[in-house]
Amino acid sequence: DVKVTQSSRYLVKRTGEKVFLECVQDMDHENMFWYRQDPGLGLRLIYFSYDVKMKEKGDIPEGYSVSREKKERFSLILESASTNQTSMYLCASTRDRGGTEAFFGQGTRLTVV
Amino acid sequence: KNEVEQSPQNLTAQEGEFITINCSYSVGISALHWLQQHPGGGIVSLFMLSSGKKKHGRLIATINIQEKHSSLHITASHPRDSAVYICAVETSGSRLTFGEGTQLTVNP
Repeated sequence: DVKVTQSSRYLVKRTGEKVFLECVQDMDHENMFWYRQDPGLGLRLIYFSYDVKMKEKGDIPEGYSVSREKKERFSLILESASTNQTSMYLCASTRDRGGTEAFFGQGTRLTVV
Repeated sequence: KNEVEQSPQNLTAQEGEFITINCSYSVGISALHWLQQHPGGGIVSLFMLSSGKKKHGRLIATINIQEKHSSLHITASHPRDSAVYICAVETSGSRLTFGEGTQLTVNP
């Protein structure tokens, strides 16, 4: 069974902390994505990667960075967490660049206090 | 105006009813995805369409490329179908743009 695994289901962090959200996929997929989901706004793309060491900004990259040192792992970094980054974060992967099924992780609910 | 609009936002049905959720989009797409999200957050892919119609069990998805419209139908709905259903369009390189979702509640 294919899997995208996010390291935490729930996280509580303090304002100003550096936060790492980890995502691992076991399907040898090329493409990985980080989204955040907020009520009334739906899912929005933060960053994505089409290959190891490659990253592209999505629609809302401000306040975030990413790292993809290995094909299977895509990390989202909040350099200095703020309360407006309290959200549900979802990682996804796809095999090809277009027209293939997206596989999602279970989500990380991050609260910044 | 959002690029992807879903309707209705909320839908309550009785068990056994036929359900339709609609999705309209305003951009050129390479594919359209229907996703299901249960409480707790995990998202599951139901369908990916680029034309015509697909069926899986009691779920049917259709797309009309010319009209930029897709529908998700659930036949003989069941309480376990209660979830948020999300339409997402793929524009380039697997990038997805999402609708806000439809909260479906099926009562026994």
